[in-house]
Amino acid sequence: GENVEQHPSTLSVQEGDSAVIKCTYSDSASNYFPWYKQELGKGPQLIIDIRSNVGEKKDQRIAVTLNKTAKHFSLHITETQPEDSAVYFCAASKPGTASKLTFGTGTRLQVTL
Amino acid sequence: DTEVTQTPKHLVMGMTNKKSLKCEQHMGHRAMYWYKQKAKKPPELMFVYSYEKLSINESVPSRFSPECPNSSLLNLHLHALQPEDSALYLCASGTGGSGANVLTFGAGSRLTVL
Repeated sequence: GENVEQHPSTLSVQEGDSAVIKCTYSDSASNYFPWYKQELGKGPQLIIDIRSNVGEKKDQRIAVTLNKTAKHFSLHITETQPEDSAVYFCAASKPGTASKLTFGTGTRLQVTL
Repeated sequence: DTEVTQTPKHLVMGMTNKKSLKCEQHMGHRAMYWYKQKAKKPPELMFVYSYEKLSINESVPSRFSPECPNSSLLNLHLHALQPEDSALYLCASGTGGSGANVLTFGAGSRLTVL
């Protein structure tokens, strides 16, 4: 089955700096790579996603890049703010109506003032 | 506000109790999921329903019994649970399709087994 590795497990940055979280996946059939943000006591919230036919996608301060050859994708957050502090999960899934979403191990991001 | 609604938000039960977790979505999605999340861990898949039929069971113990009464509702029936079953139980619905299966999660039901 699919295996998703995520690094780092914790990340502390100063407000205004950039944060980068990296993931690798094992199954070359995976074609969809979402990123979720989970705040304390809440469910995961989708913040950005990328499909395998695209190399990069940007939404305001958040961007995701995908390298299909290396089976590697990354989340980039620029101009970080205290409200960006949360746990971030990458994930991967294959095509299909009820396909399984496999999560990475998570990164706890702390944005300090 | 999340478009996937889970009730109750918190549940405390003894090992001999029978309780149920409920999930509702009105996005027209035909795939619904139960995930279990322990503290400081990623969500782990338990069950997947596709068009109201169970399509994936990740070898979950029989003390967890899922039910999908219709395309909008998903239940998880709990019986004779163990303290190690204490966790956040997340429901999700998925758009499905050949391109990508975008999952929307509920806020979760936090279960404590005494």
